Amino acid sequence: DTAVSQTPKYLVTQMGNDKSIKCEQNLGHDTMYWYKQDSKKFLKIMFSYNNKELIINETVPNRFSPKSPDKAHLNLHINSLELGDSAVYFCASSQYVDTQYFGPGTRLTVL
Amino acid sequence: GENVEQHPSTLSVQEGDSAVIKCTYSDSASNYFPWYKQELGKRPQLIIDIRSNVGEKKDQRIAVTLNKTAKHFSLHITETQPEDSAVYFCAASSSEGAQKLVFGQGTRLTINP
Repeated sequence: DTAVSQTPKYLVTQMGNDKSIKCEQNLGHDTMYWYKQDSKKFLKIMFSYNNKELIINETVPNRFSPKSPDKAHLNLHINSLELGDSAVYFCASSQYVDTQYFGPGTRLTVL
Repeated sequence: GENVEQHPSTLSVQEGDSAVIKCTYSDSASNYFPWYKQELGKRPQLIIDIRSNVGEKKDQRIAVTLNKTAKHFSLHITETQPEDSAVYFCAASSSEGAQKLVFGQGTRLTINP
C-alpha cells in the first residue's frame, strides 16, 4: 500500500547509455513531479505533469524525456547519460500546490 | 520567479536544546510554506506546514512561524533528540506560471548527545 513508489532504487550504468525510471502513485493525485537531488542535497524540480499534461519543464536537457501514460504514472527516460547526471531522482505527487509526497528515490550512478 | 533562501546550511546543537532554521522568500503572492525532513538515505517527508492566513502553527516539539510582511518563516524544534538529526528543507509555493514548490538549500541539523 505504498503511496508513491519508484523503480529501480539503484541504477549504475556507463556513460552514453539510455535508462528509464518509473514512478507510480496510488493517492489519486492529479499532479506528479520529478526532482533531482545532487550531492549537495539541493532539491531541484525538473518536470511536473497535471493529469497527463506537462505543465513544468525547468530548463532540463533534451536528453531527459518524461512521459505520463495516465495520471497515476510518471516515467523518466534519459538518453546518452553523462557523468553529471549522477544524482538521486525523486518522484513526487500532490493535489494542487499542497503537501507533496515523495517516492523513495532512485540513486543513479554514471560511470 | 520565487526564490527561497535558507539558513544556516549546517546547525549543531546539544541534545535537549532548541534549534531554529530560517527561510526567506521573494514572491509576496506565495501562500503555502511546508517544511520537509530528510533522514540519511531516505525520502523527504513533510513535518509541518503553514498557510499565509496563519502566523504560527505548532505540533508537539515543532513549530513554524510566518512573517508575511518580512517574507520570512522559521522552523523551531524544542527539546531536541538524536532522532531529529537530518536535513531540513523549507519550501514556498510559487504563484508564477504553473504552481510548484520552490525549495530552500537545506539545513543539516546534528544533535549532539
